[in-house]
Amino acid sequence: NFMLTQPHSVSESPGKTVTFSCTRSSGSIASNYVQWYQQRPGSSPTTVIYEDDQRFFGVPDRFSGSIDSSSNSASLTISGLKTEDEADYYCQSYDSSHRGVFGTGTKVTVL
Amino acid sequence: EVQLLQSGAEVKKPGESLNMSCQGSGYIFTNYWIAWVRQMPGKGLEWMGVIYPGDSDIKYSPSFQGQVTISADQSTSTTYLQLNSLKASDTAIYYCARYGSGGHLVYFDSWGPGTLVTVSS
Repeated sequence: NFMLTQPHSVSESPGKTVTFSCTRSSGSIASNYVQWYQQRPGSSPTTVIYEDDQRFFGVPDRFSGSIDSSSNSASLTISGLKTEDEADYYCQSYDSSHRGVFGTGTKVTVL
Repeated sequence: EVQLLQSGAEVKKPGESLNMSCQGSGYIFTNYWIAWVRQMPGKGLEWMGVIYPGDSDIKYSPSFQGQVTISADQSTSTTYLQLNSLKASDTAIYYCARYGSGGHLVYFDSWGPGTLVTVSS
């Protein structure tokens, strides 16, 4: 099965923009939708982006998702960073049998 | 409102078994896949397996196949995750999560609060 690799951590100042990746180890990133989940400390995950670039209900438009076939990766961009965005973020996709695969997770720190 | 209610925290000894639950409400239970996700202390999310309560179709991650058992009871709108021969490495939070888009295994649209399992002698 494939793996989804994310940077361990990123940090940026409030009001800035941060983008981080989710790289698929084998098979095309475009072959199965990619989702993004946010997990704040001590809480369950919540859905941010689904089907590559669709914002989940109630998610502000500061969050956007995309995929790049040339790098075989997906990316999550958070603009206008707020302290409330500080959390762990996980990408997720699935294999040809629709078994899920999570990325390694990225810790976002708002300085 | 969709809700997933998970059973309470458990403390078990090595070698014991555990059956945790996830009860769905606010939607038609049989029409949505429910997955189980493990999170070991300080670690990331791991997809364990999924069940479609309508016909009990089940898919397991290769990493968890043979190690866990997923089941569902339509009469109580409850999904179960069974762990046998518990080890200290089974210490984790176990989440149940509902797949959205009615019947399609793409994205989660609702998560339970998690069940903390501690395995210690």
